[in-house]
Amino acid sequence: GQNIDQPTEMTATEGAIVQINCTYQTSGFNGLFWYQQHAGEAPTFLSYNVLDGLEEKGRFSSFLSRSKGYSYLLLKELQMKDSASYLCAVRPAGGYQKVTFGTGTKLQVIP
Amino acid sequence: EAGVAQSPRYKIIEKRQSVAFWCNPISGHATLYWYQQILGQGPKLLIQFQNNGVVDDSQLPKDRFSAERLKGVDSTLKIQPAKLEDSAVYLCASSSGGNPGEQYFGPGTRLTVT
Repeated sequence: GQNIDQPTEMTATEGAIVQINCTYQTSGFNGLFWYQQHAGEAPTFLSYNVLDGLEEKGRFSSFLSRSKGYSYLLLKELQMKDSASYLCAVRPAGGYQKVTFGTGTKLQVIP
Repeated sequence: EAGVAQSPRYKIIEKRQSVAFWCNPISGHATLYWYQQILGQGPKLLIQFQNNGVVDDSQLPKDRFSAERLKGVDSTLKIQPAKLEDSAVYLCASSSGGNPGEQYFGPGTRLTVT
């Protein structure tokens, strides 16, 4: 099975940088996703990591260390609209593209 | 490109009643997922279809939940009879099967069981 851990809540200041961590334990590993979910809305895809290292995409970057079972999502130049839940999701080895979602980290950006 | 469509958006029923949700995935997406998301939690996979076949329904409470995707396109999820603990948002998602195979979610159906 899979076990995914994320902090429940975080608060950060507009314009700052915030790092949201995710640790996981899986029976096999085939990639890690980050999704953003605004309150009352559906999740939307942010990033995908399958190899170790940092993937940068504009203000958002995602890092993966497979040996440590660890990932983080880095948000730079925070904006008020970044207030949302950030979901870490792990794809185990095997077919069918199934993923297991963590409980999410609720980020509040304050002025 | 049209997104994933779901209906209804909201539903209120009494316990022991039945309810059905509908989902139309993005055109051409072979994989369709139904998730249950309880407030404050991440989405929990209920069932995953590849075309019209079930590839994972290990977390579907089969005594009360059923789902079908008869023609490999749209899908319905049914609950009969509903319990109070079924109150949640039911999300439908689809993916193309390519790499990385990110999922595209519909707006969800918010179910309240009273």
